[in-house]
Amino acid sequence: AQSVAQPEDQVNVAEGNPLTVKCTYSVSGNPYLFWYVQYPNRGLQFLLKYITGDNLVKGSYGFEAEFNKSQTSFHLKKPSALVSDSALYFCAVRKNFNKFYFGSGTKLNVKP
Amino acid sequence: GAVVSQHPSWVICKSGTSVKIECRSLDFQATTMFWYRQFPKQSLMLMATSNEGSKATYEQGVEKDKFLINHASLTLSTLTVTSAHPEDSSFYICSARDTASGWEQFFGPGTRLTVL
Repeated sequence: AQSVAQPEDQVNVAEGNPLTVKCTYSVSGNPYLFWYVQYPNRGLQFLLKYITGDNLVKGSYGFEAEFNKSQTSFHLKKPSALVSDSALYFCAVRKNFNKFYFGSGTKLNVKP
Repeated sequence: GAVVSQHPSWVICKSGTSVKIECRSLDFQATTMFWYRQFPKQSLMLMATSNEGSKATYEQGVEKDKFLINHASLTLSTLTVTSAHPEDSSFYICSARDTASGWEQFFGPGTRLTVL
């Protein structure tokens, strides 16, 4: 069963506008949730994580994400997008024995 | 911050040959490393969990005899693709779990394998 879902293959926003990249999860108990960014032919870079505590998590490069238990969501947000934010974004959940399971990825295109 | 390297960054080989990919944690010890495979425009798929000093644990559907994993030290894990075929062409990414921090994983830059 899929643990993490990213419903959008691609998100297009104009530079300066707010952006949202969606992620929903389906794991039992308290999930450990993560966002990573990948630039072409590169590995993954950690953006932020939710383990416990405040539902609003702030991460690198001005990104933040809100954990919503009732909606089982962990959407990634940024108030003002930059062209340099254009990349592939992955939501992930950590399950047994520290295994990470990734969503299908969302390509973010920020246009000047 | 913690750094994970992979070598080579890209490799082209002939069908039927074997290719070894190295994953190193440069400034921390990693009792556990993970190997992922990523097809173009797709997500990362966990292939196996590599444990220092013991056998790797493979995910369902991954051929252990084809993808040999060795984790001989706390800073090095290797993935050998044996008798490679064109369908093995992919982007292989490793991650290493920092033993000291407990859960955090750091990802390598990936290795692009092309089998002709």
